[in-house]
Amino acid sequence: GEDVEQSLFLSVREGDSSVINCTYTDSSSTYLYWYKQEPGAGLQLLTYIFSNMDMKQDQRLTVLLNKKDKHLSLRIADTQTGDSAIYFCAESGNSGAGSYQLTFGKGTKLSVIP
Amino acid sequence: DGGITQSPKYLFRKEGQNVTLSCEQNLNHDAMYWYRQDPGQGLRLIYYSQIVNDFQKGDIAEGYSVSREKKESFPLTVTSAQKNPTAFYLCASRTGGDEAFFGQGTRLTVV
Repeated sequence: GEDVEQSLFLSVREGDSSVINCTYTDSSSTYLYWYKQEPGAGLQLLTYIFSNMDMKQDQRLTVLLNKKDKHLSLRIADTQTGDSAIYFCAESGNSGAGSYQLTFGKGTKLSVIP
Repeated sequence: DGGITQSPKYLFRKEGQNVTLSCEQNLNHDAMYWYRQDPGQGLRLIYYSQIVNDFQKGDIAEGYSVSREKKESFPLTVTSAQKNPTAFYLCASRTGGDEAFFGQGTRLTVV
């Protein structure tokens, strides 16, 4: 079945950029999402990218998509201590029943060092 | 305000008991999902429903049951057949290929 892989941990210094990487296997993925989860809370959508795009920028967040390599990354500029959280990559299928499938990675725990 | 609400936030279950977790949304979303989250495991899909009166098993459906009698509601029952139910449970809803909205989760503990 479809699979989404992420590294489990990332540690950065406050003010530096963070880059969280994700790879996926489903070639028919249409939407790719980044979610943030703070301790004891639900998931909050940060941003998403449609599969016909290469890049999307939203304030401090930049998403890069390499569809050929099935690689997605999330860059957080000027990382702050409030960015410390778990970040999930997710993908959604193309059409019909597949468009209702949501597959998540295991999450990357970002720790920001003051 | 539109949103998705899970209740209760914390739930304790005795061995051998069934418990039901509530999930309600007023976003008019067609699809609803239940995920289980364990430390280091990410999110694992339990059940999902695309429309009323229809639902499909996810990757770890054993020991769980659901119903979808109304568009707004998708309750999850954790039965006594689920041998290791202690976890954080997350409900989500979405329409088609749009982003999913999540509730704040229910933490279930077996005592």
